[in-house]
Amino acid sequence: GNSVTQMEGPVTLSEEAFLTINCTYTATGYPSLFWYVQYPGEGLQLLLKATKADDKGSNKGFEATYRKETTSFHLEKGSVQVSDSAVYFCALNDPAGGDSSYKLIFGSGTRLLVRP
Amino acid sequence: NAGVTQTPKFRVLKTGQSMTLLCAQDMNHEYMYWYRQDPGMGLRLIHYSVGEGTTAKGEVPDGYNVSRLKKQNFLLGLESAAPSQTSVYFCASEDRRGTDTQYFGPGTRLTVL
Repeated sequence: GNSVTQMEGPVTLSEEAFLTINCTYTATGYPSLFWYVQYPGEGLQLLLKATKADDKGSNKGFEATYRKETTSFHLEKGSVQVSDSAVYFCALNDPAGGDSSYKLIFGSGTRLLVRP
Repeated sequence: NAGVTQTPKFRVLKTGQSMTLLCAQDMNHEYMYWYRQDPGMGLRLIHYSVGEGTTAKGEVPDGYNVSRLKKQNFLLGLESAAPSQTSVYFCASEDRRGTDTQYFGPGTRLTVL
């Protein structure tokens, strides 16, 4: 079945460092790929998404490119801030059943801690 | 526009007790979902609904029931709580017009003793 694998955390960086969080997936068909962010005590928020191969999603300085050849969707940011400290989830959408809905298949999450 | 709201935010139950978690959305979304989040496991789909009056099972439906009597509300019930149901529960909604984006509520932290 479809699945998502993320690098284990926590990832600890100093402010202004470069961030990469690896995400690889297994899927049949052509899913859309997502990065969600969860700040402490809050629900998940969509950070960025890409719907087809070679698409690049970007938001708030974060980027990720849908790489079908390597089945990857790595999250990057050139200069992290303390406010980026959160848990980041990679996900893909998967048909939930015979209807037109989709369920999200999540990776296990990567905690990022940015120190001043 | 409140988005997706969940009540309660926290709850402690004893084994065997029952409770209902309420999810409400004001975005007129057709699709709604219930997930549970456990450490190191990401989120897993419990049940979902593609419209008022319809529900379907997700990945981990056992021990839960749901109802969608009104479009804006999606209820998750635990008839006889077990310690294995200790988790954080998230509700999400999605516009049926294929935006690929689910909007999440703030979560309910449930502890079953």
